Amino acid sequence: EVQLVESGGGLVQSGGSLRISCEVSGFTLSNYWMTRVRQAPGKGLEWVANIKRDGSEKYYVDSVKGRFTISRDSAKNSLYLQMNSLRPEDTAVYYCARGLGTTITVDYWGQGTLVTVSS
Amino acid sequence: SSELTQDPAVSVALGQTVRITCHGDILSKYYATWYQQKPGQAPLLVIYGDNSRPSGIPDRFSGSTSGNTGSLTITGAQAEDEADYYCSSRDNSDHHLLFGGGTKLTVL
Repeated sequence: EVQLVESGGGLVQSGGSLRISCEVSGFTLSNYWMTRVRQAPGKGLEWVANIKRDGSEKYYVDSVKGRFTISRDSAKNSLYLQMNSLRPEDTAVYYCARGLGTTITVDYWGQGTLVTVSS
Repeated sequence: SSELTQDPAVSVALGQTVRITCHGDILSKYYATWYQQKPGQAPLLVIYGDNSRPSGIPDRFSGSTSGNTGSLTITGAQAEDEADYYCSSRDNSDHHLLFGGGTKLTVL
């Protein structure tokens, strides 16, 4: 059974940093694109970043470039998102998601972790 | 950059058919992917590619594309189908994902 279990969310002050994690099971992490999507309270879904199967390519939405870093550790079956210089507008539920087959299209989602940035 | 546009809200009578649409130039190049999201839950993939359904998704859900418009059709809507529905696609860079603003479906 495919599972993505997220952790690390919480309350942080504006300008602060936070690292959120996603531990996966039921599949081999290195075989799939992995993606981070966020959802601000009461709002829609927003793609944040994704990372290629071998970790060689990473892509980010413009609003987080230079502040967020996506990474993966296949030995730990985990995906990470390091978030620096956080802003109140980064407040959202952050989802970890797996690519469908060899594509970036998302099929499985984690339960999400809430990141709240206070001003 | 590319955008995907959805109607904010749609309603359907129980047992009737409803179509939820997604407009965007990128859909003339890529299929729309559709997700269902219920309150407090993570999104759930319901349609991908050329009208493919993941295991466990009822066959009352179907997808189609015409020009720049992708559509999700629910034939015989059930009370449990009441949810937010999001369309998604790759963008022109081929590595970024786009999401529509979502459509809130109410089943009357």
